[in-house]
Amino acid sequence: TQLLEQSPQFLSIQEGENLTVYCNSSSVFSSLQWYRQEPGEGPVLLVTVVTGGEVKKLKRLTFQFGDARKDSSLHITAAQPGDTGLYLCAGGNTGNQFYFGTGTSLTVIP
Amino acid sequence: NAGVTQTPKFQVLKTGQSMTLQCAQDMNHEYMSWYRQDPGMGLRLIHYSVGAGITDQGEVPNGYNVSRSTTEDFPLRLLSAAPSQTSVYFCASSPRGSGNTIYFGEGSWLTVV
Repeated sequence: TQLLEQSPQFLSIQEGENLTVYCNSSSVFSSLQWYRQEPGEGPVLLVTVVTGGEVKKLKRLTFQFGDARKDSSLHITAAQPGDTGLYLCAGGNTGNQFYFGTGTSLTVIP
Repeated sequence: NAGVTQTPKFQVLKTGQSMTLQCAQDMNHEYMSWYRQDPGMGLRLIHYSVGAGITDQGEVPNGYNVSRSTTEDFPLRLLSAAPSQTSVYFCASSPRGSGNTIYFGEGSWLTVV
């Protein structure tokens, strides 16, 4: 059973377009993290959100944690080819265990 | 900066063979874990440890054993390899505390034939 479902699973867009990736769960998490993974490498942390309703911005990336701490979204403005990669959300509990979403594979076409 | 080091990077096993994936971290992190990554499945937690001498099962523990004799090392043992264990394996570590960054190794590509 996958605790976290991400949508869409695959996304291919043109450079300059905007996009949103969703991460949904029926479970409540104490924190929610977003990672980006490139082929042949391990995931690398982008952001951590811990408060329901929290919004964090990282340059062209905007992350939001749902009010009930069950879901999150990642919005990318004016996507660039360098944004290409696999985006993973991960929900954490107080025991330091993290459960990862199914992943969204993003391709930005120049 | 070594971080999390996994070996081997690539391995081919025959069904029924056993092997150990090694993992070491030099950041003095208390929490270590093993994940497997399969297409369309994201990362699934196999086993984790909150400190030396303490291990526990994750989502998909069957067919795997772990031990944590030191803070630095967290090996993953495949007892009798099966084709269903063909996957990419990631070791990770993090400081104790919710919301802390997880640091991943570079991955180990395992094929069971």
